[in-house]
Amino acid sequence: TQLLEQSPQFLSIQEGENLTVYCNSSSVFSSLQWYRQEPGEGPVLLVTVVTGGEVKKLKRLTFQFGDARKDSSLHITAAQPGDTGLYLCAGRTSNRDDKIIFGKGTRLHILP
Amino acid sequence: GAGVSQSPRYKVAKRGQDVALRCDPISGHVSLFWYQQALGQGPEFLTYFQNEAQLDKSGLPSDRFFAERPEGSVSTLKIQRTQQEDSAVYLCASSLGRGIYNSPLHFGNGTRLTVT
Repeated sequence: TQLLEQSPQFLSIQEGENLTVYCNSSSVFSSLQWYRQEPGEGPVLLVTVVTGGEVKKLKRLTFQFGDARKDSSLHITAAQPGDTGLYLCAGRTSNRDDKIIFGKGTRLHILP
Repeated sequence: GAGVSQSPRYKVAKRGQDVALRCDPISGHVSLFWYQQALGQGPEFLTYFQNEAQLDKSGLPSDRFFAERPEGSVSTLKIQRTQQEDSAVYLCASSLGRGIYNSPLHFGNGTRLTVT
C-alpha cells in the first residue's frame, strides 16, 4: 500500500515566521501535487512537481520534490494569516493511470 | 457553471437508510474521482472512472458502497444501509485525464453526510 505521511499534523505560528511542511513516502511517485483546502470547500491545487530534485516557487511558497521522488517539502517564508488552511500533498501512483492518493494533511494556523 | 458541482450539499440520514450523492464534473473532463474525508483528515481515495469505465474501486470500504458513471459524465455514489461510520464529507473531483497525467484535480465542495 502506498502511503504519504505528512508532518507536522498541526502547526500554529506567529505572522512573519518561516515554516516547512514535509511529505514522505517509502514509495516512488511519478508526480506529486500540493493542495490547499479551506473549511467547507474542496482542495485547490497549488503546484505539481514531476522531476526528482525539482524546485518550484509560488510567491512566498517554495516546493521541492526529493531526488528519489519519494518525498517533498513546502516552505513558507514570512507566513501571513491568509496562509491559514489545510495543506495536502498528493501523489500520482503511476504514469499509466490517473489515480491520486492524499496524505492526511498539515493544518496550519497563522496568528496575527 | 464552470466548476465541479455536488449535490446535495448536506445530507442527514437515519442509520439503515440508502443515500445517493451526485457529482457533475467539469464538461470534457475524462477522469472522475470520489474521495471520503473525515473531519480534520486528508481525502481517502474511494474510486475513479475514466469516461464510463470504473478503473479502480479498491478504496470502497464495503459492498454497501457503489458508484456509477453510466454516460461518462455525471456520477452517483450510492451508500446502502448507512452506518454511523459512513458520516464524512464525500468529495468528487474531475480532471482532463486522457494521458495528460499531471492534470490537476478540480474538486467540488463536497457532500457532508451525517448518519444518525
